[in-house]
Amino acid sequence: KNEVEQSPQNLTAQEGEFITINCSYSVGISALHWLQQHPGGGIVSLFMLSSGKKKHGRLIATINIQEKHSSLHITASHPRDSAVYICAVRPIQGAQKLVFGQGTRLTINP
Amino acid sequence: DTGVSQNPRHKITKRGQNVTFRCDPISEHNRLYWYRQTLGQGPEFLTYFQNEAQLEKSRLLSDRFSAERPKGSFSTLEIQRTEQGDSAMYLCASSSWTDSYSGANVLTFGAGSRLTVL
Repeated sequence: KNEVEQSPQNLTAQEGEFITINCSYSVGISALHWLQQHPGGGIVSLFMLSSGKKKHGRLIATINIQEKHSSLHITASHPRDSAVYICAVRPIQGAQKLVFGQGTRLTINP
Repeated sequence: DTGVSQNPRHKITKRGQNVTFRCDPISEHNRLYWYRQTLGQGPEFLTYFQNEAQLEKSRLLSDRFSAERPKGSFSTLEIQRTEQGDSAMYLCASSSWTDSYSGANVLTFGAGSRLTVL
């Protein structure tokens, strides 16, 4: 079992829908990152969380440390949101590396 | 360009050849990371530098792999005697020590160097 599991692996939705991507992890962490990867490989860091909730534009990230779970929400989704969304955790042990989930491929159709 | 720069963007080589990738991090970032990503998978940690010191190295990094950051600025990742299983995207990222502890979100990735071993 991977230390970081994301669901769903693939998600297709219509423009305007509310999107939720989930991330569960099995190790103690000091922080959790949500990343966005577009075709061609470029990765953009969206959020880093250690507790609670963060919001940036139409993106909202939440984390529940006790339940070892985080969610990334996209409101009013748009085709330009189509990308792979990756959850990565910074374990308390080996705190300088990130452990990544497999990613969720999101496709927003017009 | 003030982002993380990686070169070359794509390298095609024959099995058994040596390849070297270069990463130029954001100039004020003292931490530098190398990750490897294969198709359909999330990135996997390879190694990490703080300034010129290589502080952590994954068991994924066999003795054919070596990484250096000689002056604490750019880094190179060399793969000797390449194998087809080395085909992957090699990603470099950098961050600042102070921003890591302040909680600021400044982990910055390069666009990656894609290796194809024939």
